[in-house]
Amino acid sequence: KAGVTQTPRYLIKTRGQQVTLSCSPISGHRSVSWYQQTPGQGLQFLFEYFSETQRNKGNFPGRFSGRQFSNSRSEMNVSTLELGDSALYLCASSLAPEAYEQYFGPGTRLTVT
Amino acid sequence: AQRVTQPEKLLSVFKGAPVELKCNYSYSGSPELFWYVQYSRQRLQLLLRHISRESIKGFTADLNKGETSFHLKKPFAQEEDSAMYYCALSPNSGYSTLTFGKGTMLLVSP
Repeated sequence: KAGVTQTPRYLIKTRGQQVTLSCSPISGHRSVSWYQQTPGQGLQFLFEYFSETQRNKGNFPGRFSGRQFSNSRSEMNVSTLELGDSALYLCASSLAPEAYEQYFGPGTRLTVT
Repeated sequence: AQRVTQPEKLLSVFKGAPVELKCNYSYSGSPELFWYVQYSRQRLQLLLRHISRESIKGFTADLNKGETSFHLKKPFAQEEDSAMYYCALSPNSGYSTLTFGKGTMLLVSP
């Protein structure tokens, strides 16, 4: 069974631009969560989606948004990029929100210059 | 607000030595606690959860609610245990929202 895939794997953007990251969960998984990983703050929860609905959102500004499609694929968008948004963005999928094991993707490395 | 603290950034031991990776948490309810591991060039993956009470790759972790701790232990470290270890907490209302500690790098030398 294929694992969680994330595209693109690497991205370089300029301050003020916007970016969209994509995540394809494991087949059959309907819950997708996103995390931001930085050296200073570590892994921080961004959002969780299930059945195309955002169930939870972490403590991030409104510039961070996301959505989930009917096939469970998810995208996250960051508008008006800031230097501090440079990070590894990880996506994780699980069968459902109550399923305890989350399977992580390889991440998208975003660099903002 | 929930918080997970891993006091050690790096733990270096020799092969065959006991290992204890510390994790303390703060949460007002009864959380689910997990240990995730990331080996070099691999993805973050679940190692174990407190409810299962099982030993995975020789590792065990006991939830101590009085001390709000969930330390990871292994009696005899192996070189292949070298990795980044993250303690994580999930509120009992849903497992998908994980609060992670900042991680401890375990280095096991021959």
